[in-house]
Amino acid sequence: DAGITQSPRHKVTETGTPVTLRCHQTENHRYMYWYRQDPGHGLRLIHYSYGVKDTDKGEVSDGYSVSRSKTEDFLLTLESATSSQTSVYFCAISAGTSGGTDTQYFGPGTRLTVL
Amino acid sequence: KNEVEQSPQNLTAQEGEFITINCSYSVGISALHWLQQHPGGGIVSLFMLSSGKKKHGRLIATINIQEKHSSLHITASHPRDSAVYICAVGNGGSQGNLIFGKGTKLSVKP
Repeated sequence: DAGITQSPRHKVTETGTPVTLRCHQTENHRYMYWYRQDPGHGLRLIHYSYGVKDTDKGEVSDGYSVSRSKTEDFLLTLESATSSQTSVYFCAISAGTSGGTDTQYFGPGTRLTVL
Repeated sequence: KNEVEQSPQNLTAQEGEFITINCSYSVGISALHWLQQHPGGGIVSLFMLSSGKKKHGRLIATINIQEKHSSLHITASHPRDSAVYICAVGNGGSQGNLIFGKGTKLSVKP
């Protein structure tokens, strides 16, 4: 199994509070991704990173920010959590990129509930 | 309009049955991925293919680029195959992003 961990694994928070989710990898992979998974939807990309301090927005980036100060860590921040951000969040990594021809390895997920 | 469509959405089979899950896509792709999401939530990559067919154990994945269609077959299905199977396509963009289908939930009864 690829060395990917996410923390916390479960979190319950209140509307308006800031939340930070952490993804940590031990594979030294260049690309890291944050997805959310909701019933009735496929996995949707929030933000991704293609190197230290290099990040870009995905399909559903509103209300989220990210940071990557080290190769191994990719942080997802909800500046002011809303109930619509209740979801399961997955981090993924891949070694390189050739237009989606690299396998992505997924973390175990974080279940976030915003009350 | 969904760019990646899977069918069926739900599938119930008896142990031993041959299973087929379908994936159609509307965009040009560089590769197609099949993933498995276990009941506990973990997601693992099963196959990545850009042409032809790949086989791993009882799993077979095929792709027809001209028809923009892929199938995932499971031979001699077993209850432990019960999971959500997800199709995703790489659209050739420079950052390797994938577009995911909504998944097919498979339940194999003993």
